[in-house]
Amino acid sequence: ELKVEQNPLFLSMQEGKNYTIYCNYSTTSDRLYWYRQDPGKSLESLFVLLSNGAVKQEGRLMASLDTKARLSTLHITAAVHDLSATYFCAVDIPTGNQFYFGTGTSLTVIP
Amino acid sequence: NAGVMQNPRHLVRRRGQEARLRCSPMKGHSHVYWYRQLPEEGLKFMVYLQKENIIDESGMPKERFSAEFPKEGPSILRIQQVVRGDSAAYFCASSLHTGTTEAFFGQGTRLTVV
Repeated sequence: ELKVEQNPLFLSMQEGKNYTIYCNYSTTSDRLYWYRQDPGKSLESLFVLLSNGAVKQEGRLMASLDTKARLSTLHITAAVHDLSATYFCAVDIPTGNQFYFGTGTSLTVIP
Repeated sequence: NAGVMQNPRHLVRRRGQEARLRCSPMKGHSHVYWYRQLPEEGLKFMVYLQKENIIDESGMPKERFSAEFPKEGPSILRIQQVVRGDSAAYFCASSLHTGTTEAFFGQGTRLTVV
């Protein structure tokens, strides 16, 4: 079974600081997704990365994909409190019917 | 265009009762996926359906769980004789095309078994 690992699982960071969340997966795939989940809410799509070397940025978040290393990163620049949430990466394979989710990174941004 | 609609948002059932969770996909979407999220964990795939067909149920428990997506009406995830371990958030997603690219998630149903 395809495994998706995220680290760190918990992240507490100060406002204004930078940090990176890592997502490793265990099989060949060039489709990687990042989602945000607020407590008690659904998943909000942040980024869809569909090729090796893909890089996407939205505000203070930037995601990249290295399919050879089977690694995606979500970089946070100058964190603000509003970014506090749980972030999930997910992988699928072209012939499959499902996302494989990581265990999530719970991010808390403190003043 | 409303998003993926799930109801109820919260459901409390006693052990042994049945739980029915409903999912109305986005307009025009004919592919529906159900996922379960246990506390402090990521989402785990349960089943993938197209109208009137179960395509992939590899993530469904073998007993007590069933799903359908009729020609008319919402998709239903049914859990019979619920147990405490069924307590979780159940999310539905829908997509326009085959495959998981561009799938949109509903707000989930939080099932509590007491």
